[in-house]
Amino acid sequence: SQQGEEDPQALSIQEGENATMNCSYKTSINNLQWYRQNSGRGLVHLILIRSNEREKHSGRLRVTLDTSKKSSSLLITASRAADTASYFCATDPQGGSEKLVFGKGTKLTVNP
Amino acid sequence: DVKVTQSSRYLVKRTGEKVFLECVQDMDHENMFWYRQDPGLGLRLIYFSYDVKMKEKGDIPEGYSVSREKKERFSLILESASTNQTSMYLCASTGLETQYFGPGTRLLVL
Repeated sequence: SQQGEEDPQALSIQEGENATMNCSYKTSINNLQWYRQNSGRGLVHLILIRSNEREKHSGRLRVTLDTSKKSSSLLITASRAADTASYFCATDPQGGSEKLVFGKGTKLTVNP
Repeated sequence: DVKVTQSSRYLVKRTGEKVFLECVQDMDHENMFWYRQDPGLGLRLIYFSYDVKMKEKGDIPEGYSVSREKKERFSLILESASTNQTSMYLCASTGLETQYFGPGTRLLVL
């Protein structure tokens, strides 16, 4: 029951450019989260945005949430080669039991 | 610092073997999860546990079982490993709405 769907599936940019990834989901949510996964490793939590929030910042990360469109975007500004990773959105559906539903991820490559 | 550990990073097993994947968290979290991750399919929930001895099936429980005898430990069991269970297995626990993941176990079933 995949709910989050990231777009694009893969993104390749040059160092210093901004990277934008999008996520769409289907049902009402309590919050939406973004995670990062370096190749062959576990996921690391980046940022959480609640359903009553529209935008959130953390360092070079900016997340927006549009609950009317059931979509979110993750912007990484001034990207670095070290940002190369896969990025996943995860939704916490209303009425759920702390089970997050993950999308399939966007693979970001930042070229030096 | 939050820590979730998994017993093995890499594992090679034969078809039909019983396989145990162990996960330990040191954060006193109540909820723990097992996922498998396959290319193009993302993360799929196998089982989760919301308390000691409590478990609930996820999206793909077939061929797997779990055990949670202590709060800090959540084990995934492949009763009779099959080649289609070759995958990356990720364990996680939940604290303050976010999930903390272990490093993953890459399992190859021959």
